[in-house]
Amino acid sequence: GAVVSQHPSWVICKSGTSVKIECRSLDFQATTMFWYRQFPKQSLMLMATSNEGSKATYEQGVEKDKFLINHASLTLSTLTVTSAHPEDSSFYICSATDPQGGRYFGPGTRLTVT
Amino acid sequence: DAKTTQPTSMDCAEGRAANLPCNHSTISGNEYVYWYRQIHSQGPQYIIHGLKNNETNEMASLIITEDRKSSTLILPHATLRDTAVYYCIVRVGVNTDKLIFGTGTRLQVFP
Repeated sequence: GAVVSQHPSWVICKSGTSVKIECRSLDFQATTMFWYRQFPKQSLMLMATSNEGSKATYEQGVEKDKFLINHASLTLSTLTVTSAHPEDSSFYICSATDPQGGRYFGPGTRLTVT
Repeated sequence: DAKTTQPTSMDCAEGRAANLPCNHSTISGNEYVYWYRQIHSQGPQYIIHGLKNNETNEMASLIITEDRKSSTLILPHATLRDTAVYYCIVRVGVNTDKLIFGTGTRLQVFP
């Protein structure tokens, strides 16, 4: 079946630094990718929709200058958390849509900001 | 997209059927019912989806009421590995964009 990977699976960074998380569709071309974050014991919260070759669409309340999304190819989208702070510590999950409309999720990236 | 209501948590004995209900009383005629599950610290996994008719695959069965205002996900023989949070989501069309997750049902399968 379709596979979506994320890298890294976990990362620890210091407050004030930036962290980049990659999301790849391994065996299909994803015209649309989505980024979610999930705090402990909470549900997934959609952050933004990423379309290949165009600017991402952010959900209300998500700072686009803090969470930079780039979707440069049909198999790769990146999320960069800029000037990370401890409150940005979370589980970040990407999702990709294949040409048939199937929706697949990555394994997630756990970010800890110290 | 229509909102859904699910019980916060449920228990099920291993080997027994797990029946997870979902209310979606405001569902529109062109909205599908999707089920995903999330095992701890992993990404969500697709289970099944349907529009009007009941559906079955290798993982589960989906029973949708005739008025489409509610549905039930059935895991016929629950195993310990089925312990997860199960999300019921309704959305327009197969190729529509956003998947908005509610709070889901935490299913605990016990020996």
